[in-house]
Parts: sequence; C-alpha cells; structure tokens
Amino acid sequence: GAGVSQTPSNKVTEKGKYVELRCDPISGHTALYWYRQSLGQGPEFLIYFQGTGAADDSGLPNDRFFAVRPEGSVSTLKIQRTERGDSAVYLCASSPGTGTGHEQFFGPGTRLTVL
Amino acid sequence: KQEVTQIPAALSVPEGENLVLNCSFTDSAIYNLQWFRQDPGKGLTSLLLIQSSQREQTSGRLNASLDKSSGRSTLYIAASQPGDSATYLCAVRRSNTGNQFYFGTGTSLTVIP
Repeated sequence: GAGVSQTPSNKVTEKGKYVELRCDPISGHTALYWYRQSLGQGPEFLIYFQGTGAADDSGLPNDRFFAVRPEGSVSTLKIQRTERGDSAVYLCASSPGTGTGHEQFFGPGTRLTVL
Repeated sequence: KQEVTQIPAALSVPEGENLVLNCSFTDSAIYNLQWFRQDPGKGLTSLLLIQSSQREQTSGRLNASLDKSSGRSTLYIAASQPGDSATYLCAVRRSNTGNQFYFGTGTSLTVIP
C-alpha cells in the first residue's frame, strides 16, 4: 500500500510569511508525529497526535507553530511569521498505534527554506 | 531528558566487511528502540525495532541488540555492500503516555566497492 506522503516536497518562503505543510499518513494509522531535522542532526520531535487530538505538543518550539488533524487522518503543520531559523526538513511519521511493537513509518519530508 | 549518542559519526569500510554501529542513551527506562537508515535528501526507512522486553532483532544481514541496563544498542551489518551506504539513526522512545522519541545524530556509513 501507499506510504506516508508529504506535500510540498520543497517550500521556499520569505521571512514573516505563513506556511502550511501537509502530511498524509498510512491509511488506518492512528498515531501521527511531526519532526524537524536540521542539517547534520537527527530529527527533533515536535508534536504527536493520537486520533484527532494532540496528545503531546511539548516539542513545538514556540506559539508560531501549530498543527491540526481534524479528521484523524491528514495533518497540517502551520508556521506563522516564519523566521530564517525555521529552515529545516519537516518530517512526518505515522504508526498503527502506540504499543511497544509499533514502528514509525516516515514520509520523504518537506524541505522548508525561509529567505 | 533522554540523550542519545551515536559513535562513530562517520565510518568508511571496504565492501564485504562486517561492521558495528553504536547507539547509547542516558535513561534506561525506554519503551522501545528503532533503527533507521536515511539516504541523502530522503526520509527515514525503518530497519529494526526492538521492544524494551527484547534483547535483539534480526532482519537479513542486520542484527540489532539492546542492553537497557548499560544504555546501549548496537546495529551489526554483515557482509557490507555499497548499497548499504547511508546515514544510520537510532531513536529511543521513553514511555507510552509521553511518547517522546529521541534521535541520535546518526552514523554516516560509506561502503567502498
């Protein structure tokens, strides 16, 4: 079946603009995660959804970042008033659940560049 | 906070060699540990997942072990091939309710033909 997909694959924006990044998880996966990866670093956790609700948003760096998952499937990560430091690859992952045996499956990422 | 370290940061080996990648973590109260590979400009591909109650997992030429008490996991790759060249990342999950995943910075592997 289809894997996790993310759109757009690349996004270039100007400082101060608003951006939305989309994630389509694997069908039936209840858990969805957003990560941010800077060059040469491992992914950094941002937020986790179980179903429609954000179960853990402790990784969001500040209130300019917000994510939704209104129907428990597709998720959108929203960044307001973008800053150059927001430039990174934003990765989405989904999982069938949160049991110890449940793997995370990652999408290809969205590369965000803030000029 | 869980700190995850991967050593070495980079590794270059001739084709055919067996090799070991290391991952260490500071908090032994983990839920599970997952190894991934990442090709340049791509997302992460899951390789192996070890649950906290397990000691090792195997898939083909890959074998991952987990020693919670010492805070370590190793990924063993047998008979390395040029196609194994990638960055290998380990990720540790702390608990079911918190669900925080912590990643290391990765080991960049180059297998020389």
